[in-house]
Amino acid sequence: GAVVSQHPSRVICKSGTSVKIECRSLDFQATTMFWYRQFPKQSLMLMATSNEGSKATYEQGVEKDKFLINHASLTLSTLTVTSAHPEDSSFYICSARDRTSGGAGGEQYFGPGTRLTVT
Amino acid sequence: QKEVEQNSGPLSVPEGAIASLNCTYSDRGSQSFFWYRQYSGKSPELIMSIYSNGDKEDGRFTAQLNKASQYVSLLIRDSQPSDSATYLCAVSPGTYKYIFGTGTRLKVLA
Repeated sequence: GAVVSQHPSRVICKSGTSVKIECRSLDFQATTMFWYRQFPKQSLMLMATSNEGSKATYEQGVEKDKFLINHASLTLSTLTVTSAHPEDSSFYICSARDRTSGGAGGEQYFGPGTRLTVT
Repeated sequence: QKEVEQNSGPLSVPEGAIASLNCTYSDRGSQSFFWYRQYSGKSPELIMSIYSNGDKEDGRFTAQLNKASQYVSLLIRDSQPSDSATYLCAVSPGTYKYIFGTGTRLKVLA
């Protein structure tokens, strides 16, 4: 159980174009999903928290107009990188919180990640 | 600034030994604690969650939590080369968000 999928796994795009990444919880409902970015040899950086049916909450320093997040259903959240530039090249990982799991924080399950390369 | 600190390593242990990974956190109000394993180029995989003081065992893994001292640790018994990875400590201060440490790289030597 607790499987999260992400698509695509790898994408190469040209500078100035937009890229959409999908994150799906396959066997549980996720009212909250998270989007992270990870640069080589660095830890995960939380970009935004995505709540089903409401606007995403972005972390300080993350441009909400550049990284558009939509959480249309309990199993799907999307991240669109608009007008991508080479500095946006990174490993983007989503996670979904299983709302039935124990503890105040809940357990997050991660998707396999999307490696974005902007040329 | 709420922080989670881990020794970056690498921590090298021989095959079959116990690997001990440590994590300290600054927010005394933190309520939930997690250990993730991340192989190079892959996303994190949940190993253990722990919410109350003491030990929690799952197979070869034992998580230990001491809220008074603000540390959480992960013991891996009978370490295998396949355990070689980066281990991330994550702390939740009572919200849904995690604060991640920078990870400890573990190398199990065959």
